[in-house]
Amino acid sequence: EAGVAQSPRYKIIEKRQSVAFWCNPISGHATLYWYQQILGQGPKLLIQFQNNGVVDDSQLPKDRFSAERLKGVDSTLKIQPAKLEDSAVYLCASSQGEFIAYNEQFFGPGTRLTVL
Amino acid sequence: AQKVTQAQTEISVVEKEDVTLDCVYETRDTTYYLFWYKQPPSGELVFLIRRNSFDEQNEISGRYSWNFQKSTSSFNFTITASQVVDSAVYFCALSEDTGRRALTFGSGTRLQVQP
Repeated sequence: EAGVAQSPRYKIIEKRQSVAFWCNPISGHATLYWYQQILGQGPKLLIQFQNNGVVDDSQLPKDRFSAERLKGVDSTLKIQPAKLEDSAVYLCASSQGEFIAYNEQFFGPGTRLTVL
Repeated sequence: AQKVTQAQTEISVVEKEDVTLDCVYETRDTTYYLFWYKQPPSGELVFLIRRNSFDEQNEISGRYSWNFQKSTSSFNFTITASQVVDSAVYFCALSEDTGRRALTFGSGTRLQVQP
């Protein structure tokens, strides 16, 4: 079974530029998560989708970050414009269902973003 | 608000030593779930264990064991007879609201096992 796919794996941009990350979850997984992991810290949830609806985006900086999951499968996370503090690894995860208690999250390899 | 604290930033041991990684959590919920994940140098988080708040039995899986103590809000992880392949960053995490909430992670403990 294929895992969670993410691209690109690495991205370097100048501050104030825009960037987009793509995630393809495991086939059949209804729940998709985007996490931000700053160096030396644990992952922090940015947004959680259930199919194509948003369950939790309370920690998403909505003035510059946006995410969508059209058709309830692939997802795109965008940053516009990027700031230096956005340098981090962006992790995508998926699970079969919404309840973490009963549905294991599978993580992708992440996209490492460097903002200069 | 929920919080997970991993006070040990980095631990270095020699192969075959036992090592314990500490995790302390805060939550107001009575039903919650605790997790441990491993993040090897490749970057992908690997699930190790899930424990609900009503099950305080210790668990052992091969060289890994977990000690959950509600009285001290701790969920510690012990690796027995450590191996070089155990070198990674280990994260403790919490899910509140009967496991409905997405994970809140601690800051992680980097374990280096020297040959």
